[in-house]
Amino acid sequence: QKEVEQNSGPLSVPEGAIASLNCTYSDRGSQSFFWYRQYSGKSPELIMSIYSNGDKEDGRFTAQLNKASQYVSLLIRDSQPSDSATYLCAVGTQGGSEKLVFGKGTKLTVNP
Amino acid sequence: DAGVIQSPRHEVTEMGQEVTLRCKPISGHNSLFWYRQTMMRGLELLIYFNNNVPIDDSGMPEDRFSAKMPNASFSTLKIQPSEPRDSAVYFCASRTGGPRQETQYFGPGTRLLVL
Repeated sequence: QKEVEQNSGPLSVPEGAIASLNCTYSDRGSQSFFWYRQYSGKSPELIMSIYSNGDKEDGRFTAQLNKASQYVSLLIRDSQPSDSATYLCAVGTQGGSEKLVFGKGTKLTVNP
Repeated sequence: DAGVIQSPRHEVTEMGQEVTLRCKPISGHNSLFWYRQTMMRGLELLIYFNNNVPIDDSGMPEDRFSAKMPNASFSTLKIQPSEPRDSAVYFCASRTGGPRQETQYFGPGTRLLVL
């Protein structure tokens, strides 16, 4: 059973701080990794994807991947109240990204 | 583009009744996914289709669940008979095919309550 684990949270940070979200996965063969954001009562939306070891930056978001440690993280710089949501880590299986296994999510609250 | 369309948005039914959830994927997308989300289990993949063909239904909980995709623009997920433990949010998602075409676009979901 392929598993994706996320830090349980909830995570609370002040506005302007860095929020750090972590994820580990069990399938060493996984090649694709994603972070989805889900606002309360809404559907998940993709915010970052990463395929290679290292960092990938997109605006205030940075995804970090370490395949040797089977670890993915998401950093949100200058956190805003609008970033308050549940963040879902997803890992592609079957040699590609066709089938995703999701973690249960970490709820982030950014306090003004 | 209208995005992924799901209906109904909310469904309340009684145990034992048949429930049919509907999904229209984004035009041009050739992969379609059905997920179920609960607080306890998170977001789980139930089944997915490529080019209208079911590829993996290993996430379908039991024979009470069935899914069809008769054409590229329509899919159904049916629960018969429904049970209270089926209460969840059911999402449909679609994406284009091909490598690195990974973005799955989710519909708004159907909130199902089985009494």
